[in-house]
Amino acid sequence: QSVLTQPPSVSAAPGQKVTISCSGSSSNIGNNFVSWYQHLPGTAPKLLIYENNKRPSGIPDRFSGSKSGTSATLGITGLQTGDEADYYCGTWDSSLSAGVFGGGTKLTVL
Amino acid sequence: EVQLLESGGGLVQPGGSLRLSCAASGFTFSRYSLSWVRQAPGKGLEWVSGISGRRDNTYYSDSVRGRFTISSDNSKNTLYLQMNSLRAEDTAVYYCAKEGGYSYWDWGQGTLVTVSS
Repeated sequence: QSVLTQPPSVSAAPGQKVTISCSGSSSNIGNNFVSWYQHLPGTAPKLLIYENNKRPSGIPDRFSGSKSGTSATLGITGLQTGDEADYYCGTWDSSLSAGVFGGGTKLTVL
Repeated sequence: EVQLLESGGGLVQPGGSLRLSCAASGFTFSRYSLSWVRQAPGKGLEWVSGISGRRDNTYYSDSVRGRFTISSDNSKNTLYLQMNSLRAEDTAVYYCAKEGGYSYWDWGQGTLVTVSS
């Protein structure tokens, strides 16, 4: 069981928009920044969003992040087949003194 | 360009030990916090352990505390993970990651650890 809760899967058609939720608690999301990662099998994970809603250089603005209370959301617009991957939220848990990830969400672009 | 190269993975029997290494380049090694993150077969990412930028604090997940030890050699720009009393559930690809503000900005390609008799 992951500390952060994500839906196991989401799907949408090319060109459409999808959101992925990440639910936690006051000891993690509620009081720390949230990051989002894209992970393709056999490759290194890639940072998509940091500090809740900021994009690293090179990440297109199709990717966005938001946080409210103890939940966070990743949004992806203009879906492309190349966006098919596993997406993870992550943050620090102040009570555990440990990093924590969500269980991951598999995105399928139909 | 930041590069992180893990090594040391392999097949080990339950109860055995293994030391993973992560050779870093392209940044000032001693200034950044670093972590180990793993992915078991068919499972999601799991944070394992972290070491602070000043190397004065170490952190562990409950699943490895007391069995794994994180350390670094700033003179060699290398991060280590000593893994003892290995269990089947430790089987995973282990990644090292460079942190910034509790985000993992750069990752290695991973090294596979298989615990099996």
